[in-house]
Amino acid sequence: DIQMTQSPSTLSASVGDRVTITCRASQSISNWLAWYQQKPGKAPKLLIYEASSLESGVPSRFSGSGSGTEFTLTISSLQPDDFATYYCQQYHLYSPWTFGQGTKVEIK
Amino acid sequence: QVQLVQSGAEVRKPGSSVKVSCKASGGTFSSYTISWVRQAPGQGLEWMGRIVPILDIADYAQKFQGRVTITADKSTSTAYMELSSLRSEDTAVYYCARVSGYSNASGYWGQGTLVTVSS
Repeated sequence: DIQMTQSPSTLSASVGDRVTITCRASQSISNWLAWYQQKPGKAPKLLIYEASSLESGVPSRFSGSGSGTEFTLTISSLQPDDFATYYCQQYHLYSPWTFGQGTKVEIK
Repeated sequence: QVQLVQSGAEVRKPGSSVKVSCKASGGTFSSYTISWVRQAPGQGLEWMGRIVPILDIADYAQKFQGRVTITADKSTSTAYMELSSLRSEDTAVYYCARVSGYSNASGYWGQGTLVTVSS
């Protein structure tokens, strides 16, 4: 199975900060990568698909980039509602899908 | 609007099996891949497997091969995940998720089902 490695595992930031989370795949997945936000006790919410496409209804401060094996999620100006845990997921067509281990964004 | 509604919480003894359901409404059930994802207490998301109902083909993460079975009933728009030989480490919230349709990312999620394995 394709392994997904996220970094950092925890990130402390303040409202208004620019935040970047990185996800690395163990082999090329083209752009078959999604980012999800999860809050405690809730199901994950899709933010970004195909590495850089913004899901409908998601604020434009969220953006994704990358292809192949290196990907990033950027929050341009962190808002109070953004404190959560973020996961990347690869969904390469001919492989089992896998998630990164998650990045918890905490209040500094 | 697509909705996924899962069955309620379950308590099982070690060595037994559990079957969780996920009923879809809105959209076309058969055409879209449904995945099962679990989350142990305080841990991350773990992808277990998927099914394409119209093809009735399922595949699984290597970790769960031989222990998990994912099925779909097109007549009731319901997907199922059965996990056998349960152990305490299988205590988790189990989610079903459906691809968006314009992408294979999972845009729709069930509310989650807590499965507790305890003697």
